[in-house]
Amino acid sequence: QQQVKQSPQSLIVQKGGISIINCAYENTAFDYFPWYQQFPGKGPALLIAIRPDVSEKKEGRFTISFNKSAKQFSLHIMDSQPGDSATYFCAAIDNQGGKLIFGQGTELSVKP
Amino acid sequence: DAGVTQSPTHLIKTRGQHVTLRCSPISGHKSVSWYQQVLGQGPQFIFQYYEKEERGRGNFPDRFSARQFPNYSSELNVNALLLGDSALYLCASSFGSSGGGAKNIQYFGAGTRLSVL
Repeated sequence: QQQVKQSPQSLIVQKGGISIINCAYENTAFDYFPWYQQFPGKGPALLIAIRPDVSEKKEGRFTISFNKSAKQFSLHIMDSQPGDSATYFCAAIDNQGGKLIFGQGTELSVKP
Repeated sequence: DAGVTQSPTHLIKTRGQHVTLRCSPISGHKSVSWYQQVLGQGPQFIFQYYEKEERGRGNFPDRFSARQFPNYSSELNVNALLLGDSALYLCASSFGSSGGGAKNIQYFGAGTRLSVL
C-alpha cells in the first residue's frame, strides 16, 4: 500500500523562526516529491518539488531535504512569517501513472 | 497564463441527486486528475486522465465517473449523492507523460465545494 506519513499534525512557530515538517514514505514507487501550501477555502499551491536523486533543494526561504535511504524528506521554512500560516502537505508522485499520494497535512501557525 | 479553472465554486445538492463538476487545465497540459478533500485531511485521488484515456482510478465507488474531452477539459460526475460526498473537489493538471518525472507535477485549481444536505 502506498502511504506518505507526515508530522507534526500542527506546529506553532514564532515570527523569524524555522518551521520544520517531516514526511516518510513506505515504498519506492515514487519518482518526485512535491510540497503544497493550502490556505482555507483554496486549492493546494505548489511550493517546491524534489527528485529522489537530489539531497537538497532550496527556493527562497523554503528548503527540501531528502534522504533516499531512510525514505524520509522534510520541508524547512526559514525566517517564518505570519503570512506563512497555512496547511502544508507533502506528497509523492506515483511513477506508474503520476497520481499524487498526500501526507495528512501540517497546520502551521506563525505568531507575530 | 490562466491556471486550472474549476466550476462551479460552490454547490448545494440533496441526497440522491446527481452532480457534474467541470475543470479546464493549464494550457498545454494534457493530464487532468481529480481529488476529494474532506475537511482536515489531505486530498484523496479519484481519477486521472491523460490524452482522453483513463490512466488511474482511486478507491471510490462506481457512483463516481469522469471523462476528458478533446480540448483536455474534464468533467467529474457523481450519482446518487450521499451526505458523505460533501467535500472540496479538486482538479489538477500536468503535462503528463508515461515516463514520469517533473512532467507529472500537478497544479491545482481552487476547487468546488460540494455540500450534500
